[in-house]
Amino acid sequence: AQSVAQPEDQVNVAEGNPLTVKCTYSVSGNPYLFWYVQYPNRGLQFLLKYITGDNLVKGSYGFEAEFNKSQTSFHLKKPSALVSDSALYFCAVRDNYLGYNKLIFGAGTRLAVHP
Amino acid sequence: DAGVIQSPRHEVTEMGQEVTLRCKPISGHDYLFWYRQTMMRGLELLIYFNNNVPIDDSGMPEDRFSAKMPNASFSTLKIQPSEPRDSAVYFCASSLGAETGNEQFFGPGTRLTVL
Repeated sequence: AQSVAQPEDQVNVAEGNPLTVKCTYSVSGNPYLFWYVQYPNRGLQFLLKYITGDNLVKGSYGFEAEFNKSQTSFHLKKPSALVSDSALYFCAVRDNYLGYNKLIFGAGTRLAVHP
Repeated sequence: DAGVIQSPRHEVTEMGQEVTLRCKPISGHDYLFWYRQTMMRGLELLIYFNNNVPIDDSGMPEDRFSAKMPNASFSTLKIQPSEPRDSAVYFCASSLGAETGNEQFFGPGTRLTVL
């Protein structure tokens, strides 16, 4: 079965420093991987996805993610964090078992960026 | 485009009452998903539809929960009778297509409190 793991409940980083939010996955076949962000009292917003092609995927708000097949990882990164990046981040993998089209979400990682 | 629309945004009800949550997906999208988010269980997929047909309802917690999609622009999630443990934020999401792993677009959610 497809699954994702986000090993950190919370990540703390100082404003201006680079940030990384970790995600590992387990899939059969080629992975379709996604990152979403959730701000307080809002729905999830799509940030970026990896389907195929370049291992470095660029997305919204200056975020990028690196797909690493050998390590089965899809870590979210940003070169310089902003206080406004503080939010809950979800990694997800598409589950296409039996032709289904649904996303399996990780537990989420809370990012806190301190001034 | 107005995005995914959910109503009501907040619902407070008493145990035993019927609750109906509503969703209007993005026009032209052929997939619709219902999720539930709680602190304890995170984000859970309850059910999803493709072209108005339920495809996977394995996440529906029990018979008290039911979902319908009478047409391409409207879906309901009903809880009858409601219980305090149903208190959560319920999200609706929609997406277009399946083969290319298109991202899901989430509504703002309905915060349900069952007293």
